[in-house]
Amino acid sequence: DTAVSQTPKYLVTQMGNDKSIKCEQNLGHDTMYWYKQDSKKFLKIMFSYNNKELIINETVPNRFSPKSPDKAHLNLHINSLELGDSAVYFCASSPALGLAGYEQYFGPGTRLTVT
Amino acid sequence: EDQVTQSPEALRLQEGESSSLNCSYTVSGLRGLFWYRQDPGKGPEFLFTLYSAGEEKEKERLKATLTKKESFLHITAPKPEDSATYLCAVQAWYFNKFYFGSGTKLNVKP
Repeated sequence: DTAVSQTPKYLVTQMGNDKSIKCEQNLGHDTMYWYKQDSKKFLKIMFSYNNKELIINETVPNRFSPKSPDKAHLNLHINSLELGDSAVYFCASSPALGLAGYEQYFGPGTRLTVT
Repeated sequence: EDQVTQSPEALRLQEGESSSLNCSYTVSGLRGLFWYRQDPGKGPEFLFTLYSAGEEKEKERLKATLTKKESFLHITAPKPEDSATYLCAVQAWYFNKFYFGSGTKLNVKP
C-alpha cells in the first residue's frame, strides 16, 4: 500500500482555471504538508496542518487554499492559475509535532503545467 | 536568515570511488537535520535524522555526520544504483519549519 498518495500525477491546464490536488496518507500521522519544488529543485514549504489545524502558512498567494477534511487528507485548491504556478507539488506527512524533529514522508508529486 | 546550502551541485564518481556531500546550515535553533534521496520523477525518500553535533548514522554505503554548522553524507564504494539527488533539510525549533537545500545530484558510472 502506498503510504502517501497524490492525485493527479500530472495536471495540464490553462491560465485562469481553478484546479485541485488531493493527498491522502495511511501512516496514521498527525501532521501533513504541502511543498512546491521549482525548476531548480528547491523544495519550499507552503502549508502545514496538524490534526486538521493550520500551523504553517508561508507567504503563498491567497489563490492557494489548503483544506484538511480529516487528519489523513490534505487537499490543495488553486484559483486563477498563473504561468508561475507551474512546478511539482509534493504532499508529505510526519508522525507528530513535538520536541524531537520528525522525518517527513513524501508523496510521488503532482507536476502542474500551466499554459 | 535561516538557510541550507549544499555542495557540490553535481558530483560524478566512478563505481567504487568514495566521496562526501556537504550540507551547511544556519538556523536559529536546530531541532533536527534530515537527509533524503530523490530519484527522477519521485518524491524524496527519507534516509537519516541527526539531532546533535557529533552524532553519526549509517545505512549500507551511506554515513551521515553532524557538526554545529554542517553535515556530511559520506558515500563509501558507491554503486550505479546510488545515483540520485541527495537533499538535506533542517527543522527549526520555532513554528516547526523545514528548510531544504537545493540538493547534490550524484551520478555513479559503472
